[in-house]
Amino acid sequence: NAGVTQTPKFQVLKTGQSMTLQCAQDMNHEYMSWYRQDPGMGLRLIHYSVGAGITDQGEVPNGYNVSRSTTEDFPLRLLSAAPSQTSVYFCASSFSPNYGYTFGSGTRLTVV
Amino acid sequence: GENVEQHPSTLSVQEGDSAVIKCTYSDSASNYFPWYKQELGKRPQLIIDIRSNVGEKKDQRIAVTLNKTAKHFSLHITETQPEDSAVYFCAASKDTGRRALTFGSGTRLQVQP
Repeated sequence: NAGVTQTPKFQVLKTGQSMTLQCAQDMNHEYMSWYRQDPGMGLRLIHYSVGAGITDQGEVPNGYNVSRSTTEDFPLRLLSAAPSQTSVYFCASSFSPNYGYTFGSGTRLTVV
Repeated sequence: GENVEQHPSTLSVQEGDSAVIKCTYSDSASNYFPWYKQELGKRPQLIIDIRSNVGEKKDQRIAVTLNKTAKHFSLHITETQPEDSAVYFCAASKDTGRRALTFGSGTRLQVQP
């Protein structure tokens, strides 16, 4: 039981490049979310999903896309990276919106 | 959408003292309130949570209280130890509409030995 697995752990991108941050969980959780963490701003919700095939926007969705084709996987795509997207990205999952979310170990992204 | 405010942003206490962190939320439909601890360079970890049908919950040295009328909840840590030093986040969620956690901005707790 690996929990929530995020890859890569670190990434440096050039402005304008695209990439996909991977997130996978093996707990059969329906609810999955992506957050970005910036100093002094807590964790801000980017996108979330309440089950396979169902996604919705969070507080800061611009510049990011998601899809949920399976229960296990919830990748986050950066369409055209910008320096403002430099952040630490966390994926989290839960079996219910009213139950503790389990977080992945994070991806530290730098856009130059 | 939901807005969660957290105070203070930093808190320094002496070892053995108590620490209190307070949060307010805006959406009266929110019914789940977890607290997370994040050590430097690590992922957030759930330490305690409370649901809207409960006013207080304790787990050893930590406790959480909830006032639904005032829409605020608090984390209490007693007999603080140096290993309690971390950033603490409150959060809120509900089971309708946006069904994901909304976080406060965090409190950096430093316990001085």
